[in-house]
Amino acid sequence: AQSVTQLGSHVSVSEGALVLLRCNYSSSVPPYLFWYVQYPNQGLQLLLKYTSAATLVKGINGFEAEFKKSETSFHLTKPSAHMSDAAEYFCAVTQRNGMRFGAGTRLTVKP
Amino acid sequence: DAGITQSPRYKITETGRQVTLMCHQTWSHSYMFWYRQDLGHGLRLIYYSAAADITDKGEVPDGYVVSRSKTENFPLTLESATRSQTSVYFCASSDLADSNYEQYFGPGTRLTVT
Repeated sequence: AQSVTQLGSHVSVSEGALVLLRCNYSSSVPPYLFWYVQYPNQGLQLLLKYTSAATLVKGINGFEAEFKKSETSFHLTKPSAHMSDAAEYFCAVTQRNGMRFGAGTRLTVKP
Repeated sequence: DAGITQSPRYKITETGRQVTLMCHQTWSHSYMFWYRQDLGHGLRLIYYSAAADITDKGEVPDGYVVSRSKTENFPLTLESATRSQTSVYFCASSDLADSNYEQYFGPGTRLTVT
């Protein structure tokens, strides 16, 4: 079965610093991978998705992720954190019978 | 309005009561899903449906019942609510023709069982 693991339940960065949120997947077939963001008391918003077209995927709000098959990773990055990036981030792998989500990483941005 | 909607958005119920959460989508997507979100677990799949009258269990189906008589609706019923079912519930849908299996999520229902 496919699964994802997010390393670090909490990440804290200073405003303007690099954001790196880690996600590793387990899949016996080429996966479809997604990153979602959830702001407090809101639903899920799609940040970006990997669908095998390109290994470096650009998403909304300046985020991007790189698919590395050799490392089974799909880490999310942003060069410069903004206060508005504070939220919960979820990595997910999808298949026809549903998505498998990581436990989530809460990002805190310090002024 | 187009999209995927859930109702109610907030619900408080008592232990042992039956409660139904509604999900409606206007895209005619063939697949629909129910997830629950709990701290430390991310979202976990409860049930899914591949088409009208076709449903199947996900990771955490115990205590829940689903039905799908129409393509656009996918209600989730807690037959006898327990405190452990206090959670945020998300409905999602997916198009059979979407080879990426991307899912579109509703706004969620926050359920509290007292």
